[in-house]
Amino acid sequence: AQSVTQLDSHVSVSEGTPVLLRCNYSSSYSPSLFWYVQHPNKGLQLLLKYTSAATLVKGINGFEAEFKKSETSFHLTKPSAHMSDAAEYFCVVSDPPRQGAQKLVFGQGTRLTINP
Amino acid sequence: DTEVTQTPKHLVMGMTNKKSLKCEQHMGHRAMYWYKQKAKKPPELMFVYSYEKLSINESVPSRFSPECPNSSLLNLHLHALQPEDSALYLCASSQVPGQAEQYFGPGTRLTVT
Repeated sequence: AQSVTQLDSHVSVSEGTPVLLRCNYSSSYSPSLFWYVQHPNKGLQLLLKYTSAATLVKGINGFEAEFKKSETSFHLTKPSAHMSDAAEYFCVVSDPPRQGAQKLVFGQGTRLTINP
Repeated sequence: DTEVTQTPKHLVMGMTNKKSLKCEQHMGHRAMYWYKQKAKKPPELMFVYSYEKLSINESVPSRFSPECPNSSLLNLHLHALQPEDSALYLCASSQVPGQAEQYFGPGTRLTVT
């Protein structure tokens, strides 16, 4: 079965410094991988996705992630943090299709705090 | 229109009430999902509809009853809920059932008293 481990439950950085949110995955097949962001009391917004094309994926709001098969990692980065980046971030892997549908497997989330 | 909308935003209901949550999308997506999210936890899948038919029920108690009247609309009927059912209920859609990329609505914050 597919699984995702987000290595940090909480990351705190200063505004203007780089952000690194770490994610390792386990998959028995070639997975699709995603990062979603959830601001307080809001729904989830897709930041970026990897679907076996380029290994370096660029997303919205200056975020990017690199798929490293040898390390089974899909870490999320941003060169310079902004106060509006404070949110919960979920790394997600897709399960193989079942009964015609594809289930998402979520990591436990990383809370990103930005210090002024 | 790339939006999934959910109503109401907030709902407070007693354990004997009957209420419904509504989700709508006009992106032409043919798969729709209900998730439950407790505080500080990731979303948990409840139901999947593929081409307006229920394809996955993740062993959800019968006090939650989903309905998909047409390809744009998804309802979740609630009856005799328990306080532990209080959570954020998220709706999502994807273009086709086999596509992993899902678009989420803002959620309904449900409180059961």
